[in-house]
Amino acid sequence: QSMLTQPPSVSGAPGQRVTISCTGSSSDLGSNYNVHWYQQLPGTAPKLLIYDDIHRPSGVPDRFSASRSGTSASLAITGLQAEDEADYFCQSYDNRVSGSVFGGGTKLTVL
Amino acid sequence: QVQLQESGPGLVKPSETLSLTCTVSGDSISNYYWDWIRRPPGKGLEWIAYIYTSGSTNYNPSLKSRVSTSVDTSKNQFSLKLSSVTAADTAVYYCARHSRANDVWSSIDVWGKGTTVTVS
Repeated sequence: QSMLTQPPSVSGAPGQRVTISCTGSSSDLGSNYNVHWYQQLPGTAPKLLIYDDIHRPSGVPDRFSASRSGTSASLAITGLQAEDEADYFCQSYDNRVSGSVFGGGTKLTVL
Repeated sequence: QVQLQESGPGLVKPSETLSLTCTVSGDSISNYYWDWIRRPPGKGLEWIAYIYTSGSTNYNPSLKSRVSTSVDTSKNQFSLKLSSVTAADTAVYYCARHSRANDVWSSIDVWGKGTTVTVS
């Protein structure tokens, strides 16, 4: 099964801004399915961070934002904090498999 | 508040069948799509399967020949079976729920804590 494409790693100093990209194909983001973002801290389950391309669930700080255009999406984190160090995954629906597809994940390191 | 709890053996022998159950508490299992997702060591998340409370189901093509799922609405539980396991099936297995009723395209807003399954 194909994956959405994410950079393996990104890093930034405290207070800085980082972005994580997510690139899909014609069968997922290209078919207008929404993209969702998850944060996975070490040893814990993934947590929903952004849903339906741009929306934050209650309780998610507004330091986290996202955008989407065509087959690409992007997660931005501003005012980087040590507690943001985690793995981040994008996810969408893939009509070739009629199920979910995830990005390979991006490890964020706070320097 | 909906909570999910995975249960099952933490150690499975090669060629045997992995069996996990997810118990849903805090809400009815009805009218939602429920997923099984895993994360192998050092790798990313992999979608395994979904099941709807009617019993409708779909599987990752890469695992389809070995996977089956079922739902028991009377117990508020759903289950996963993965046959002929190998070391490559070693992973943390999560059960999860899609956020909107009747919408498999929606985000996954509720996750179990995950259970580690080792094939050895």
